[in-house]
Amino acid sequence: TQLLEQSPQFLSIQEGENLTVYCNSSSVFSSLQWYRQEPGEGPVLLVTVVTGGEVKKLKRLTFQFGDARKDSSLHITAAQPGDTGLYLCAGSNTGNQFYFGTGTSLTVIP
Amino acid sequence: GAVVSQHPSWVICKSGTSVKIECRSLDFQATTMFWYRQFPKQSLMLMATSNEGSKATYEQGVEKDKFLINHASLTLSTLTVTSAHPEDSSFYICSARYRTTDTQYFGPGTRLTVL
Repeated sequence: TQLLEQSPQFLSIQEGENLTVYCNSSSVFSSLQWYRQEPGEGPVLLVTVVTGGEVKKLKRLTFQFGDARKDSSLHITAAQPGDTGLYLCAGSNTGNQFYFGTGTSLTVIP
Repeated sequence: GAVVSQHPSWVICKSGTSVKIECRSLDFQATTMFWYRQFPKQSLMLMATSNEGSKATYEQGVEKDKFLINHASLTLSTLTVTSAHPEDSSFYICSARYRTTDTQYFGPGTRLTVL
């Protein structure tokens, strides 16, 4: 059962534009991770958020965990071609269960 | 940082043969490892959770007799695809849970092609 819905599913933008990816669920998670995956490779961890309302920044990427710990967002400022990839959110709970989002495929056009 | 390796990175086999994929945590001990399957431009589908020294927990719809998982040590888990068929062709990815945190570190994946 897919508990985390990501939107949009596909996104193609011009270099320099801003974008936001959403990760929504009806379930509460103890923590949430964001990963980026390039074709033919495994996902690479970008960030882990654990506190409701938490905001973390990683250069041009801003991650926010919802107050109720049910949703999260990833905002990219001034996107670059190197940001192209599949972005995945993943929520975990205290029961050692991890649930991956449906994924957002981002293409940044030079 | 936490590094996870997979071997082989790609494999081509004939239908009916078995293929073993190894997943190793190189610089940390992983009591829990996960095996995923992924189709192009789609998210990861959890196949099973592997705990060191005990039987793997399989997700609904995953045949445990077809996808054999062994987690013999704190740094190694293996996935054996038995009697592989073309529909088993996919990208298989493992991950290892770092200590008691909620973070998984992923291997680079294994591309399996069954002819």
